[in-house]
Amino acid sequence: DAGVIQSPRHEVTEMGQEVTLRCKPISGHDYLFWYRQTMMRGLELLIYFNNNVPIDDSGMPEDRFSAKMPNASFSTLKIQPSEPRDSAVYFCASSLAGTGSGSGYTFGSGTRLTVV
Amino acid sequence: RKEVEQDPGPFNVPEGATVAFNCTYSNSASQSFFWYRQDCRKEPKLLMSVYSSGNEDGRFTAQLNRASQYISLLIRDSKLSDSATYLCVVGFQKLVFGTGTRLLVSP
Repeated sequence: DAGVIQSPRHEVTEMGQEVTLRCKPISGHDYLFWYRQTMMRGLELLIYFNNNVPIDDSGMPEDRFSAKMPNASFSTLKIQPSEPRDSAVYFCASSLAGTGSGSGYTFGSGTRLTVV
Repeated sequence: RKEVEQDPGPFNVPEGATVAFNCTYSNSASQSFFWYRQDCRKEPKLLMSVYSSGNEDGRFTAQLNRASQYISLLIRDSKLSDSATYLCVVGFQKLVFGTGTRLLVSP
């Protein structure tokens, strides 16, 4: 299995621009998670999906952030407009079972976003 | 209070040493517990699950104390390759990650 695939690996953009991050979960996994990691706050859950349906988006910082999962093999996280404080590493993860289960999550390699 | 709290370290130990990390969590309803390892500029990877009775995987031993809401990880015979950040993870309706404890193993 190729694992969780994220693109791009690195993104540098100017403040105010739209940024779209992409994720392909492991085939057969029915949970998908978007996390953001910074030095100050660690890993923060932004949103997660179950069977392509958003379940909990309480971690999405503000209306500038949106996420979609149009099918079982693809999800996007969009920031519009981007701001310098959005600079972070964004991870996508997928899981076979429920969020509180013993299976843990498999993470993608992350997208390192820099907003200048 | 943070949901999952860890000492950020760094813990500097020589090769061969035994080192222990602790973690506390605030949600008494938590049902699943893990330790993840994260290397510099890489993604977190599952190291081991933590079971109520305690469990061991080679040089790594994890313990859970539900009454005190406390999780530990013991690493015996430290290797240079153990240098990484260790994330304590607690799950109820979602997995919550601690900010990690950094371990540096030196020759």
